[in-house]
Amino acid sequence: DGGITQSPKYLFRKEGQNVTLSCEQNLNHDAMYWYRQDPGQGLRLIYYSQIVNDFQKGDIAEGYSVSREKKESFPLTVTSAQKNPTAFYLCASNNGPGSGNTIYFGEGSWLTVV
Amino acid sequence: RKEVEQDPGPFNVPEGATVAFNCTYSNSASQSFFWYRQDCRKEPKLLMSVYSSGNEDGRFTAQLNRASQYISLLIRDSKLSDSATYLCVVNVPLYNQGGKLIFGQGTELSVKP
Repeated sequence: DGGITQSPKYLFRKEGQNVTLSCEQNLNHDAMYWYRQDPGQGLRLIYYSQIVNDFQKGDIAEGYSVSREKKESFPLTVTSAQKNPTAFYLCASNNGPGSGNTIYFGEGSWLTVV
Repeated sequence: RKEVEQDPGPFNVPEGATVAFNCTYSNSASQSFFWYRQDCRKEPKLLMSVYSSGNEDGRFTAQLNRASQYISLLIRDSKLSDSATYLCVVNVPLYNQGGKLIFGQGTELSVKP
């Protein structure tokens, strides 16, 4: 089945550690996105990529890094520089930010700092 | 002013009730509009796109008012299974970058027996 797969679903991080969240899609979508959602809040854009080997900062990119070496994959690294990383992270994809096409989400990853 | 703003929740309604959500947006050049549904601790899923002429899907009706810059979602004959958070999403055009999806903070709906 086509879709977006995120892993791990639950992750615990010690303070000072970097962690990487995986996102893979087999929808042949050009654009991929990472969002963060805090309790009772809307989604905030961290990074997005419109094409392989290119990505742009979103509204809250500080403390995060990404790569887009393959069309199917858009991993997100939460670095130790991110001061408040506990949140629900959502990866998404569509056929491009300007297309007006709907966006599809993975099931999300819950990150908790312990 | 937030780029996309929704009615504050939660909305607590009895089964069978009709409930309406409103969402306002600040960028008059916005082109595409959507309603997403998000269940507790799950990812958002597309409920419906919103077209200028308005559109209906079963018990759900979405309307767009470009002059007043708001969109609405009407749910008739509410079911227990409609309990969720409803997210308003607007595609805001960006110069030379296509567009950017902006999410509202969501309105929680709780349908009670």
